[in-house]
Amino acid sequence: QAVVTQEPSLTVSPGGTVTLTCGSSTGAVTSRHYPYWFQQKPGQAPRTLIYDTNNKHSWTPARFSGSLLGGQAALTLSGAQPEDEAEYYCLLSYSGIRLFGGGTKLTVL
Amino acid sequence: QVQLVESGGGVVQPGRSLRLSCAASGFTFSSYAMHWVRQAPGKGLEWVTVISYDGSNKYYADSVNGRFSISRDNSKNTLYLQMNSLRPEDTAMYYCARGGPSIAVVGFDYWGQGTLVTVSS
Repeated sequence: QAVVTQEPSLTVSPGGTVTLTCGSSTGAVTSRHYPYWFQQKPGQAPRTLIYDTNNKHSWTPARFSGSLLGGQAALTLSGAQPEDEAEYYCLLSYSGIRLFGGGTKLTVL
Repeated sequence: QVQLVESGGGVVQPGRSLRLSCAASGFTFSSYAMHWVRQAPGKGLEWVTVISYDGSNKYYADSVNGRFSISRDNSKNTLYLQMNSLRPEDTAMYYCARGGPSIAVVGFDYWGQGTLVTVSS
């Protein structure tokens, strides 16, 4: 079974920019993995931010964007806010089976 | 507005069974695939299973395949997860989530608040 990898933790300064990545043990992540990104704050259910690589929901703040970067899926946060401190998870598809990455704990400091 | 409300969690002994429910409202339930996702205490998210809008197609994570069964009753707007042969490692918060109009849509948009399952003797 494939393994989806994420940075365990990252730190960004308020107002700064940070990129979180999502890799696959089977090779390059492509649009056919249909990458999703989720945000989860302590004690809350997850919230979907990005779907199908780079599409946003109506509730997704404009400062978040998704892309493919160097064979990985990427979530870029431009202009970090204190409320963006959270755990972020990516999700990839493998022929019907979905796999989450281990999550990235993002600190805004 | 879309609402998903899980129920049925609790404490259960290893080897026993439990059935979770997810009551949906605010959208045409019968038009969407539905998922279960779980999260062990202090751990990350784990996708568990998905069912198509009409119940004809299902996929399972390797960790639960053969033990868990997803189903739905579109007349009751309710999703189910039958969990058999439970193990301590099944202890988690279980979330239901709305998928897309096709099971081929990979992810989910709306999530419930979860129901906690604890497997312990």
